[in-house]
Amino acid sequence: AQSVTQPDIHITVSEGASLELRCNYSYGATPYLFWYVQSPGQGLQLLLKYFSGDTLVQGIKGFEAEFKRSQSSFNLRKPSVHWSDAAEYFCAVDSGGGADGLTFGKGTHLIIQP
Amino acid sequence: GAGVSQSPSNKVTEKGKDVELRCDPISGHTALYWYRQSLGQGLEFLIYFQGNSAPDKSGLPSDRFSAERTGGSVSTLTIQRTQQEDSAVYLCASSFSSGGYNEQFFGPGTRLTVL
Repeated sequence: AQSVTQPDIHITVSEGASLELRCNYSYGATPYLFWYVQSPGQGLQLLLKYFSGDTLVQGIKGFEAEFKRSQSSFNLRKPSVHWSDAAEYFCAVDSGGGADGLTFGKGTHLIIQP
Repeated sequence: GAGVSQSPSNKVTEKGKDVELRCDPISGHTALYWYRQSLGQGLEFLIYFQGNSAPDKSGLPSDRFSAERTGGSVSTLTIQRTQQEDSAVYLCASSFSSGGYNEQFFGPGTRLTVL
């Protein structure tokens, strides 16, 4: 069965600093990979997704992620964070063609320092 | 257009009572998913509907959980004889069709508290 690991439970960065959130997955073939963001009291919003092709994908809100097959990673990056980026971030994988739902990591809680 | 809606937004119940949680997917979306979000377990997939097809119930946590989807649209998740460990946020998502490349759109969730 597939699994997703987000090794950082909490990350604190200063406003304006760069950000990288780590995600590693376990799956035999190339999965469909996603990053979602959840603000307090809100549902999950899709930031970006990778299916195939170019390994660097651009998303909303200035986020990007890079798929590295050799490292089984799909890390999320942003060059300069804003206070509004404070939220919970989830990496997810879909390897069952949709029918098995998404498998999520435990999430990374991002704190922005002024 | 309207997104995925869920009701109620909050539900407090007593242990042993039954609860029903409702999900209205985005119009035209044939695939519908239920997830549970809890502090201990994170986000767990529960069940998936494709149109009117019978779902695979193997992801449901126990036989106290059941779900149905009427007319290929609205879905109801029912928990019978609720237990305190059922306390969680229940999220519903829909997508245009099945297939992992289809984005799942999530509702705001129903926060269930079992006293």
